[in-house]
Amino acid sequence: AQSVTQPDIHITVSEGASLELRCNYSYGATPYLFWYVQSPGQGLQLLLKYFSGDTLVQGIKGFEAEFKRSQSSFNLRKPSVHWSDAAEYFCAVVLLWVNDYKLSFGAGTTVTVRA
Amino acid sequence: DAGVIQSPRHEVTEMGQEVTLRCKPISGHDYLFWYRQTMMRGLELLIYFNNNVPIDDSGMPEDRFSAKMPNASFSTLKIQPSEPRDSAVYFCASRPGEYGYTFGSGTRLTVV
Repeated sequence: AQSVTQPDIHITVSEGASLELRCNYSYGATPYLFWYVQSPGQGLQLLLKYFSGDTLVQGIKGFEAEFKRSQSSFNLRKPSVHWSDAAEYFCAVVLLWVNDYKLSFGAGTTVTVRA
Repeated sequence: DAGVIQSPRHEVTEMGQEVTLRCKPISGHDYLFWYRQTMMRGLELLIYFNNNVPIDDSGMPEDRFSAKMPNASFSTLKIQPSEPRDSAVYFCASRPGEYGYTFGSGTRLTVV
């Protein structure tokens, strides 16, 4: 089935440690790819997006993501997390080749940051 | 730029009542989306509009839900009658020509 998958439901990381969140997609072609963050009680904020070109994408708040076509992945990374990075993170896709302009979301990964 | 504005932020209503959620997209954005977020189902698209015209309403759960976009600066999502299972956070998002989707802060709906 066509889908976007975030394999990790919950990740706990120590402040100052590195963070990697996984995202895999299963479609007939490469979708447009996005990462959003949602802090408790807040809306969704765009961290970064990938359409084409350089496979390493820089975003806001010190996040980056790497697109790997061979692995159908778009993993999000941050070298050193801060307590304020505790939030839920969503990977999302747009299937432009079928003229589908909606964002389809993964189930999300909740990140807990311990002191 | 005030962003996407949703009202109210919180709504508590009794089962059977009509509920209207409101959204003001960013000026110049030609796409508007309504999403619902629940613990069980995550973020799911209800409906989206392009230039005020509904394009895909396949996510609208049933006839109790309706959405309108009478002009480029306003959209409503109405539930009539409301049921406890409609309790969720409802997000509105808008998008310009390129793919920079911007979300509102959401409306938390509780139906008791």
